[in-house]
Amino acid sequence: GDSVTQMEGPVTLSEEAFLTINCTYTATGYPSLFWYVQYPGEGLQLLLKATKADDKGSNKGFEATYRKETTSFHLEKGSVQVSDSAVYFCALSRNTGNQFYFGTGTSLTVIP
Amino acid sequence: DSGVTQTPKHLITATGQRVTLRCSPRSGDLSVYWYQQSLDQGLQFLIQYYNGEERAKGNILERFSAQQFPDLHSELNLSSLELGDSALYFCASSPRQGGWGYTFGSGTRLTVV
Repeated sequence: GDSVTQMEGPVTLSEEAFLTINCTYTATGYPSLFWYVQYPGEGLQLLLKATKADDKGSNKGFEATYRKETTSFHLEKGSVQVSDSAVYFCALSRNTGNQFYFGTGTSLTVIP
Repeated sequence: DSGVTQTPKHLITATGQRVTLRCSPRSGDLSVYWYQQSLDQGLQFLIQYYNGEERAKGNILERFSAQQFPDLHSELNLSSLELGDSALYFCASSPRQGGWGYTFGSGTRLTVV
């Protein structure tokens, strides 16, 4: 079945460090891929998405590229800020489907 | 404000009781999804409604049920509550089915004592 695996946390980085959160997926066909972010006490917010192979999603300095050959959608940011501290979820959805499959989430803490 | 409204924000109840969680989707969205987020299980899909009809079921217990009303708001009913049902329950909505990204509400934190 469809599933998403993302790197275990927690991750702690200093401000302005480079961030990578790994995400790989298992799915038949060509799903859409997403990154969601959850700030403390809030619901999940869509951060970025990509709907086909080689697409790059980007938002707020974060980027992720849909790599079909490695079934990956790694999240990157060149210079993190304290305000980026949150839990990040990788997810997939079939374009014609009803359900999202979420990874377990990766907690990021950025220290000044 | 995401546009998805969930009430109540917090709920504390005793084992064996029944509660109802409410969700109003973002204006124009026809699909409503319910998720349970707990520390040990992560984010689990429970059920989806599209324009009033059930469209998909995930890991939803038989003690739980949901419905979507003509005005598109949805309710999740949890009965015979157990301590293990304590979790954050999120509602999300989307314009259509799948592929478009969800908009999540801020959740209802349920504590069963």
